[in-house]
Amino acid sequence: GENVEQHPSTLSVQEGDSAVIKCTYSDSASNYFPWYKQELGKRPQLIIDIRSNVGEKKDQQIAVTLNKTAKHFSLHITETQPEDSAVYFCAARLNDNQGGKLIFGQGTELSVKP
Amino acid sequence: GAGVSQTPSNKVTEKGKYVELRCDPISGHTALYWYRQSLGQGPEFLIYFQGTGAADDSGLPNDRFFAVRPEGSVSTLKIQRTERGDSAMYLCASSRAGQRSEQYFGPGTRLTVT
Repeated sequence: GENVEQHPSTLSVQEGDSAVIKCTYSDSASNYFPWYKQELGKRPQLIIDIRSNVGEKKDQQIAVTLNKTAKHFSLHITETQPEDSAVYFCAARLNDNQGGKLIFGQGTELSVKP
Repeated sequence: GAGVSQTPSNKVTEKGKYVELRCDPISGHTALYWYRQSLGQGPEFLIYFQGTGAADDSGLPNDRFFAVRPEGSVSTLKIQRTERGDSAMYLCASSRAGQRSEQYFGPGTRLTVT
């Protein structure tokens, strides 16, 4: 079955710096890759997603890139702020047409120091 | 509009007891998912409903776990003979069917088995 590996497990940056979180997946049939942000004690919130027909997607200070050949995808956060501190999860899904289970990475705890 | 809701928010039960966890999806979302999240881990898939039927129950850990969605809206996750290892956050998510099928999570039920 699908397996998603996420690195690093923890990441500490200074306010204003960029943060990059990387994920790899095992099943080449996966074609949908969302990223979720989870603050302590809160629900996971979808922040950006990418489908396999594009290589990059941007939304303000966040961007996601996808390399289908290498089965890698990454989250890039620029100009980080303390409120960006949270746990970030990547995920992969096999079947986009009718929905389907998400396989999550282990999470990255991002700390943005003022 | 209203998001995914889950009740109760917290449940403490004794080992061996039966529990029911409820999920109210976003109105009009035909797909509903249950995940389990242990501390410091990503959500782990349990079961997925498309309408009233379980389209994928491959994540249920054993036959003590069962879920229903009799009218294609509200779902109940049922756990029999609870064990201490069942303690976790149980998350529900819903999505529309089709291409634009982002999953939106509820706040979760924190289950503690003593």
